[in-house]
Amino acid sequence: EAGVVQSPRYKIIEKKQPVAFWCNPISGHNTLYWYRQNLGQGPELLIRYENEEAVDDSQLPKDRFSAERLKGVDSTLKIQPAELGDSAVYLCASSLASGSYEQYFGPGTRLTVT
Amino acid sequence: AQKVTQAQTEISVVEKEDVTLDCVYETRDTTYYLFWYKQPPSGELVFLIRRNSFDEQNEISGRYSWNFQKSTSSFNFTITASQVVDSAVYFCALSEARYSSASKIIFGSGTRLSIRP
Repeated sequence: EAGVVQSPRYKIIEKKQPVAFWCNPISGHNTLYWYRQNLGQGPELLIRYENEEAVDDSQLPKDRFSAERLKGVDSTLKIQPAELGDSAVYLCASSLASGSYEQYFGPGTRLTVT
Repeated sequence: AQKVTQAQTEISVVEKEDVTLDCVYETRDTTYYLFWYKQPPSGELVFLIRRNSFDEQNEISGRYSWNFQKSTSSFNFTITASQVVDSAVYFCALSEARYSSASKIIFGSGTRLSIRP
């Protein structure tokens, strides 16, 4: 069974440029998560989807970040415009459902904003 | 408020030593789940264990064991006879069990474990 797929693995952009990350969860997983992980810290949830509905986006900086999961399968996270402080690893994870189910993580996208 | 504290930022031990990683949590819920994940140098977090708030039985899986104590709000992880391959960052996480937009998921800041040969 294929795991969570993320692309690209690495991205270097200049500040004020836009950037997008893509995630394809494990087949059959209804819940999809986007996390940001700063160096030396734990993952911080940005947004959680139940199918195509964003049920928790309280930590998403909505002035510059957006996300979508149109058909309840793959998802895109966008930053526009990027700032220096956005440099981090962006992790996507999926699970069968929320709450008790373990999450399966992708390899992440390491973003560097210069 | 929900919180997960991993006070040990870094631990370094010699191979074959036992090592315990501490995790202390805070939640207002009576029903919740606790997790441990491992993040090796490759970067991909790997699920290790899940515990629900009603099950305080300790669990052992090979060289790994977990001690869940509600009285002290702790969910500690012990590696027995550590090996170099255990070197990684370990994260403790808390998830509320309510299936709703209000259920929160939070990770601790992680403990970097280095096993020296």
